[in-house]
Amino acid sequence: NAGVTQTPKFQVLKTGQSMTLQCAQDMNHEYMSWYRQDPGMGLRLIHYSVGAGITDQGEVPNGYNVSRSTTEDFPLRLLSAAPSQTSVYFCASSYSFLAPGELFFGEGSRLTVL
Amino acid sequence: KQEVTQIPAALSVPEGENLVLNCSFTDSAIYNLQWFRQDPGKGLTSLLLIQSSQREQTSGRLNASLDKSSGRSTLYIAASQPGDSATYLCAVKIRRGSQGNLIFGKGTKLSVKP
Repeated sequence: NAGVTQTPKFQVLKTGQSMTLQCAQDMNHEYMSWYRQDPGMGLRLIHYSVGAGITDQGEVPNGYNVSRSTTEDFPLRLLSAAPSQTSVYFCASSYSFLAPGELFFGEGSRLTVL
Repeated sequence: KQEVTQIPAALSVPEGENLVLNCSFTDSAIYNLQWFRQDPGKGLTSLLLIQSSQREQTSGRLNASLDKSSGRSTLYIAASQPGDSATYLCAVKIRRGSQGNLIFGKGTKLSVKP
């Protein structure tokens, strides 16, 4: 059972480039989300999804785009990378957003924007 | 706005000591509270989940308590071991208009010395 899988683990971008961080889960989880973790700021929610075709913004959505075409996948797109987006990005999922439940995290994607 | 605070930011103890990590939150209207462990360069692993109707949860040497009225949770680690060294984060699932969002504290970095 792979759990939550994120790719790539490391990425270096130049300012203005675009890229997609991939997230996949094999637990048939309804709820998926993206967080970024920055020193001194803690974890902050970027976007989340409560099911296929349903997404919504979190605390820091600007500069990021998401879609949820399948239950398993929840990619995060950086449209035009900026140095302020240098961070560690975590994808997390849980069985249902309605039923309070355990949140499972991926290993993280470390992004540097030059 | 819900805020989650963890004090101290760092803690160093000798092996074998019992210890308590603290988490406080400003709004008592929560669905649940989770404690996570994060090892360096890794994702978060859920340790304990306490529902809003519960007072405590136990798993092995770990015991988490919840006092909603005072806005506090504690994570008790018995007979600490060097392998317990990690950053411990708490997160609350907020209720009103939350759509499943978690609010994280910034964590307590624990170091257990042999």
